Amino acid sequence: AQKVTQAQTEISVVEKEDVTLDCVYETRDTTYYLFWYKQPPSGELVFLIRRNSFDEQNEISGRYSWNFQKSTSSFNFTITASQVVDSAVYFCAAGGSNYKLTFGKGTLLTVNP
Amino acid sequence: DVKVTQSSRYLVKRTGEKVFLECVQDMDHENMFWYRQDPGLGLRLIYFSYDVKMKEKGDIPEGYSVSREKKERFSLILESASTNQTSMYLCASSFPQGPNNSPLHFGNGTRLTVT
Repeated sequence: AQKVTQAQTEISVVEKEDVTLDCVYETRDTTYYLFWYKQPPSGELVFLIRRNSFDEQNEISGRYSWNFQKSTSSFNFTITASQVVDSAVYFCAAGGSNYKLTFGKGTLLTVNP
Repeated sequence: DVKVTQSSRYLVKRTGEKVFLECVQDMDHENMFWYRQDPGLGLRLIYFSYDVKMKEKGDIPEGYSVSREKKERFSLILESASTNQTSMYLCASSFPQGPNNSPLHFGNGTRLTVT
């Protein structure tokens, strides 16, 4: 079984600031998968990224970047030059050797104009 | 694009009623899931199904059952609704490999209120 901790319940920033959302995971599986999802006010969860445990390369997609560090069991998400449209709840999730995906409690990000 | 459709966006039911939440996906996904989302608790898995007529309990199955008669449809059933089942319910589906190596695609959710 996995455990996912998102210590930041809420974050508020001003537009154009950079912001990092923290995610710490626990697992006994040697092979596991990490995800980030975005839930805007409309409610639908949107898949952002998947990272396999055997691939520690960081990834950048536009203003979004992800830092995966197995040594600290962290999978942090950074938004550069934040925009109002980035306001949402962000969930980190982990899956292992079964079908179950365990989610963190989420971080509410508010980007103010 | 994958589309996961939940039949109701908002639902109000009375304590003791039998409640059906319906979910349909159009991408021929074999795996389907029901989660509930509560403030401060994140998403918790209720039940999932990896094939027609197959079902597995998630982390919080008590008070719920499911039905998967057709591949595209996964129903969540509250046998006798209670006020502590007031929540946002999210349906999801994924490719045959499961959530371990493929993303879940979510519906818009059904906000259920039990009075």
